[in-house]
Amino acid sequence: EPEVTQTPSHQVTQMGQEVILRCVPISNHLYFYWYRQILGQKVEFLVSFYNNEISEKSEIFDDQFSVERPDGSNFTLKIRSTKLEDSAMYFCASSGGNEQFFGPGTRLTVL
Amino acid sequence: GQQVMQIPQYQHVQEGEDFTTYCNSSTTLSNIQWYKQRPGGHPVFLIQLVKSGEVKKQKRLTFQFGEAKKNSSLHITATQTTDVGTYFCASSTSGTYKYIFGTGTRLKVLA
Repeated sequence: EPEVTQTPSHQVTQMGQEVILRCVPISNHLYFYWYRQILGQKVEFLVSFYNNEISEKSEIFDDQFSVERPDGSNFTLKIRSTKLEDSAMYFCASSGGNEQFFGPGTRLTVL
Repeated sequence: GQQVMQIPQYQHVQEGEDFTTYCNSSTTLSNIQWYKQRPGGHPVFLIQLVKSGEVKKQKRLTFQFGEAKKNSSLHITATQTTDVGTYFCASSTSGTYKYIFGTGTRLKVLA
């Protein structure tokens, strides 16, 4: 069964550093999402992406964040200058229309 | 902005007892999705409801969408230890790809 994959599974970085989180969505899906989840809390929407552009973004998705689909298969989330409060699990999801398939997540720890 | 509340926040049940979680929104929803997240795992799609008053069943799980499309419920009959996890509802407003997740209900099943 096709699945969404994410790398790395865990990323540790220093405050102020840039990080790139990578996702490979399911191949025939058209809608892509990034979410984050602080430990023990709810899943928070960051951004949705369709037809090679951002469809919607939340208040969390400020100028420090960007997304890209550089090569037609990967879908990346870049955080330009990480803050302590960016520490969370970041989930990528893809969808062919309704059902969202989530990847296993990248745990980001900012020191 | 749109907020989706879930109650209860936590529920401990004895194996074999029933369980219900409720999802409430202050605004009319175009659809409602339900996800299950096992401890340490990622959200897994369970179902989507679209029509007012819709009821869907999956084995021991029954999902309802309210007549006013502002609330939804998930009911599990005769819980099993495999039902352990956090159940989230998620919804988008009409015409958007922005999914807001509920606060989640964490279910523990005692054998």
